[in-house]
Amino acid sequence: GENVEQHPSTLSVQEGDSAVIKCTYSDSASNYFPWYKQELGKGPQLIIDIRSNVGEKKDQRIAVTLNKTAKHFSLHITETQPEDSAVYFCAPYGGATNKLIFGTGTLLAVQP
Amino acid sequence: EAEVAQSPRYKITEKSQAVAFWCDPISGHATLYWYRQILGQGPELLVQFQDESVVDDSQLPKDRFSAERLKGVDSTLKIQPAELGDSAMYLCASSRTDYYNEQFFGPGTRLTVL
Repeated sequence: GENVEQHPSTLSVQEGDSAVIKCTYSDSASNYFPWYKQELGKGPQLIIDIRSNVGEKKDQRIAVTLNKTAKHFSLHITETQPEDSAVYFCAPYGGATNKLIFGTGTLLAVQP
Repeated sequence: EAEVAQSPRYKITEKSQAVAFWCDPISGHATLYWYRQILGQGPELLVQFQDESVVDDSQLPKDRFSAERLKGVDSTLKIQPAELGDSAMYLCASSRTDYYNEQFFGPGTRLTVL
């Protein structure tokens, strides 16, 4: 089945720094690549996504880049703020499985 | 802003008891999903509905879990009997048919089985 890995598993940055989380997947037929943010005790929140015909997408301080050849996509957060602290999940939509396959998550801590 | 509603938010039960969770998707979303999230892991799909029909229940433990969406709107997930290993967050999500993979999640139900 689809294998999805996230790195790093934990990331601590100072407020104002940038953060990058990488997601690698195995299903070459995957065609949709979202990132979710999950705060403690809450459901995952879709924060940005990208489709397979686009290489990069940006929304204010958040961007996602996709490398389909290498089968990985990354979340970039600039000018981090304490409220960015959460667990972030990638969840590529598998072409073979027709479902979102969630990664293991990255705990981001932004130190004030 | 429209949201997915779930209830209860927390449920504590003893093993061998029956429990039920309810979900109301975003209005107009024909596709509804139930996920289970074990602490420290990502959500895993249990069942997917398109309107009132089950599309995928391959990961649903059917000996004890059941799900229904009788009128194609809200949905109920039931566990009977509950086991200690069922302790987890149960998440409901919904999506539009034409953007089926853009899924929006509810706040979840935290289940603790004692």
